[in-house]
Amino acid sequence: VQLVESGGGLVQPGGSLRLSCAASGFTFSDFSMNWVRLAPGKGLEWISDITRSSSITHYADSVKGRFTISRDNARNSLYLQMNSLRDEDTAVYYCASSTSLLYWGQGTLVTVSS
Amino acid sequence: DIVMTQTPLSSPVTLGQPASISCRSSQSLVHSDGNTYLSWLQQRPGQPPRLLISQISNRFSGVPDRFSGSGAGTDFTLKISRVEAEDVGVYYCMQATQFPRTFGQGTKVEIK
Repeated sequence: VQLVESGGGLVQPGGSLRLSCAASGFTFSDFSMNWVRLAPGKGLEWISDITRSSSITHYADSVKGRFTISRDNARNSLYLQMNSLRDEDTAVYYCASSTSLLYWGQGTLVTVSS
Repeated sequence: DIVMTQTPLSSPVTLGQPASISCRSSQSLVHSDGNTYLSWLQQRPGQPPRLLISQISNRFSGVPDRFSGSGAGTDFTLKISRVEAEDVGVYYCMQATQFPRTFGQGTKVEIK
């Protein structure tokens, strides 16, 4: 099982980024997927999930209206479109599979700074 | 939102000795389907988090049996029967009974 995030980087406040998570080694379409982040000096924060068929999504209040989760089961990929980025969105972003967060990627660092 | 409160926040332990972490939720974690979606995760330094235990007490594949989970309702415990050097890291409880999913603050386990 492998989850590989990409797309992180340095962005100015108010900017946008799109994160990707490439899955392999398991049947991607059988699992709901999540994004979780770890900000510097803080604990883990769940930010979003999406059902297997993309029919239902959920968001933490801290990102609702700014971030959009999506997936492409044909490409075994999960995405997070992040708009209107703020300083407090600076974190390592992880994708994780299933309700229990069974498998995790290595994470991708997003830095929001002017 | 369900608030998850862990104690202690720091746990210095002697190698070979037991360690215990408590996690309390602000409301019952029993789902309408009858299951309790309380998990424990470990994050070693420089590593991504790793699932140790799901649904209170189900150890994930490959997790050593020195890790055990117990509890019910709003009170849960992770125990390490004999701490090894590789157990150093931050441990989180997490509830997946309701949205938004929420984590405890994390408990740092270190060797004395």
